[in-house]
Amino acid sequence: NAGVTQTPKFQVLKTGQSMTLQCAQDMNHEYMSWYRQDPGMGLRLIHYSVGAGITDQGEVPNGYNVSRSTTEDFPLRLLSAAPSQTSVYFCASSYTRGQAFFGQGTRLTVV
Amino acid sequence: GESVGLHLPTLSVQEGDNSIINCAYSNSASDYFIWYKQESGKGPQFIIDIRSNMDKRQGQRVTVLLNKTVKHLSLQIAATQPGDSAVYFCAENIRFGTASKLTFGTGTRLQVTL
Repeated sequence: NAGVTQTPKFQVLKTGQSMTLQCAQDMNHEYMSWYRQDPGMGLRLIHYSVGAGITDQGEVPNGYNVSRSTTEDFPLRLLSAAPSQTSVYFCASSYTRGQAFFGQGTRLTVV
Repeated sequence: GESVGLHLPTLSVQEGDNSIINCAYSNSASDYFIWYKQESGKGPQFIIDIRSNMDKRQGQRVTVLLNKTVKHLSLQIAATQPGDSAVYFCAENIRFGTASKLTFGTGTRLQVTL
């Protein structure tokens, strides 16, 4: 049972490049979400999904897209990377109500 | 706006002593709270949770207290160990329809000294 798996662990992008952060969970959780973590700001919700085919915006959605074609996968797309998107990104999953399980994170640097 | 916050950014505790980490919340609609521990380079890890119909909940060496009157949450760690050194976050879970959303505080760093 792997839990929540995020790839890659580290990534460096040039400004304007696009990329997809992958997230997969094997716990059959309906609820999945993406957070970014910046120093002194805690974790901020980017996008979330309450089930396959359903997504919605969180606190800081600009510059990011998500889709949820399956229960297991919830990729996060950066459309045109900017230095302000340098951060550590965490994916989490949970039952609709309850504790969230987090992945190990993706450290993204945009130069 | 509504927010979850922490009083102390860094807490230094001697090994073997008890630790108390505090958290204030402002969203009266929150009815479920969670404490997470985050070690360096890792994702947040669930420690303990509490629902708003409870005042206290105990786990292994940890206790969470909830005071709804003053909207205050605390995490108590008994006999603090070096392995407890980490950043601790409180989070409030707000339910809307069939969905729920976690809002995190900024975190408190716990440093355990020998």
